Amino acid sequence: TQLLEQSPQFLSIQEGENLTVYCNSSSVFSSLQWYRQEPGEGPVLLVTVVTGGEVKKLKRLTFQFGDARKDSSLHITAAQTGDTGLYLCAGADYTGTASKLTFGTGTRLQVTL
Amino acid sequence: NAGVTQTPKFQVLKTGQSMTLQCAQDMNHNSMYWYRQDPGMGLRLIYYSASEGTTDKGEVPNGYNVSRLNKREFSLRLESAAPSQTSVYFCASTRFGVLATLVTGELFFGEGSRLTVL
Repeated sequence: TQLLEQSPQFLSIQEGENLTVYCNSSSVFSSLQWYRQEPGEGPVLLVTVVTGGEVKKLKRLTFQFGDARKDSSLHITAAQTGDTGLYLCAGADYTGTASKLTFGTGTRLQVTL
Repeated sequence: NAGVTQTPKFQVLKTGQSMTLQCAQDMNHNSMYWYRQDPGMGLRLIYYSASEGTTDKGEVPNGYNVSRLNKREFSLRLESAAPSQTSVYFCASTRFGVLATLVTGELFFGEGSRLTVL
């Protein structure tokens, strides 16, 4: 079983601060996705990164895929209260019949005024 | 457009009872998945179906069975519920099926089914 560890598990910051969430594994993934989940809802995709070293920006969110495709980070600049939620990374593994996603342990972010 | 619909949203069972969680998607997706979510453990894959007529075990299949009834519907059955199966269950789907290779498509999730086993 491929494991994805996220850190930190919990993060409580004030609006306007910057933060970084890490996603690490000992396994190589063909691609990696980041999802955000709000209470009472299912996760929603934020981004997919495919190439080692790839950096993608989504407004105030910056995603990076490690060169060896084993780790990833999510950086949020000037956090807003609307960023509050559970952030999940997920590594893709092709089994030969289908792609499966292995999810990380999650980082719960709370942004307060 | 409903996306992925799960029923029921909440259920309380006694140990040993059985039940089926229903999932339906209206996006014409090929692959469907059942995950469970527990605090501090992220989402763990129970079973998946790459295409209509096929099902495979995921990371934590023990105590569960699944049926891919047709392209739209994928159900999860607990034959004899145990307290360890208390969790939030999510169904998801993606359009990529057996031809998926390097890139996994976006997973679309239902709103979840919260199950408590006493």
